[in-house]
Order: sequence, then structure tokens, then C-alpha cells
Amino acid sequence: EVQLVQSGAEVKKPGESLKISCKGSGYIFTTYWIGWVRQMPGKGLEWMGIINPADFDTTYNPSFQGQVAISADRSISTAYLQWSSLKASDTAMYYCARQGFGGYFDYWGQGTLVTVSS
Amino acid sequence: DIQMTQSPSSLSASVGDRVTITCRASQIISSYLNWYQQKPGKAPKLLIYGASSLQGGVPSRFSGSGSGTDFTLTISSLQPEDFATYYCQQSYSTPHSFGQGTKLDIK
Repeated sequence: EVQLVQSGAEVKKPGESLKISCKGSGYIFTTYWIGWVRQMPGKGLEWMGIINPADFDTTYNPSFQGQVAISADRSISTAYLQWSSLKASDTAMYYCARQGFGGYFDYWGQGTLVTVSS
Repeated sequence: DIQMTQSPSSLSASVGDRVTITCRASQIISSYLNWYQQKPGKAPKLLIYGASSLQGGVPSRFSGSGSGTDFTLTISSLQPEDFATYYCQQSYSTPHSFGQGTKLDIK
């Protein structure tokens, strides 16, 4: 069974750093890209970027380029989303998802809620 | 970037109704159009990919059509569990943008 399991909720202060994770299982991790999607409170879905765990090739939405970093560790089938300096506006639910061959997200993690508040 | 526009933004319907949601792309995206369902507090779920292909396990009352710039998601006979928010997404070119969502609630 394909599963993506994300790390738990985080509460951080502005300016702090954070790295959240997404562990894949039930399939060959390097065969599919992994993407990240932001959902701000009460709002819609925003495509942030994707990573190919096979060669670490990464594509970012220009809106998020430079604001976050996407990485992966093939040895533990895990993808990451990282911030070096959080802002209050980063408060959101973040989902990872497996990208199928047509670019759609066929399996999703349960989401990680990030709250940034002083 | 490709902009995706859904209509309507919200919709009230009754169990048993036939419902259609439309999605328009700002440029031609062939059939690289996907539909997701999201219920409150849950991750989105893939319903339709490639404009008209039903994801495994999704009930056949869901169908998708269209190509180029105009697409539709149809639910042939609404069931109580279908009340949710629906999103389209283009996967023709990155960033693979989503529509703003259509909230379907009970009339």
C-alpha cells in the first residue's frame, strides 16, 4: 500500500528555521517525483514545487523560489520542505504528494500544520 | 504561468442532483487537467486525471471531459459523501497550478 507519512505539527516563532518531512512507503521511492502543496487557512491549494528523488532535480513555483528549499534523502525514502527564516505568513497546512506520470498527485500525505506566531 | 479559473466558486445542490463544475485554463493545456476532492480537515483526493480518466476506486458517478482550455467535472447523482470542495489542476507546464476551488454544499 502506497503511503506518505508527514511529520507532526509545528509551532515556531518568526525568524526561526524549520524542516518538515514526508516519508514514502509501499513503492519504489526513486520512481516518482514528490511535490509540496500549501494551503493557507480557509484558502485553496498552491503548488510549491517538486523533486525527483532519483537525481534530486527540483522545480519550484516562482512564487516560492528562494522562500523554501525542497530536498530528499533516497536512503530513507524521505522528502523535505525547509525554511531558513519563517514568517507569520508561512502559517499554513503543507501537504506532500506523489506525482504520477501525467503530473497529477495520486497519493497525498496527511498534512503538516505549521503555525508561525510570536 | 497558466491561470486556472473554476466556476462556480460555490454551489448548493441536493442529493440525487446532477452537478457540473467547469474549469478554464488561460492557455491550451491539451488534456493535462486533473480534478481533486477535498473534505474539511482532510488531504485532497485525486478523482480524475488526464481530463477524463477515473482514478482507481473513485465511483463511476464522477466523470470528466474537455480538452484545450475548457473542462468539466460532472457528478451524475450526488451522494451525501460528495459534499466537499473540488479543485482542478493543470499539469501541462510548471508550476502545475490549481483552480481556486468550488465548494459544493447541501441545499
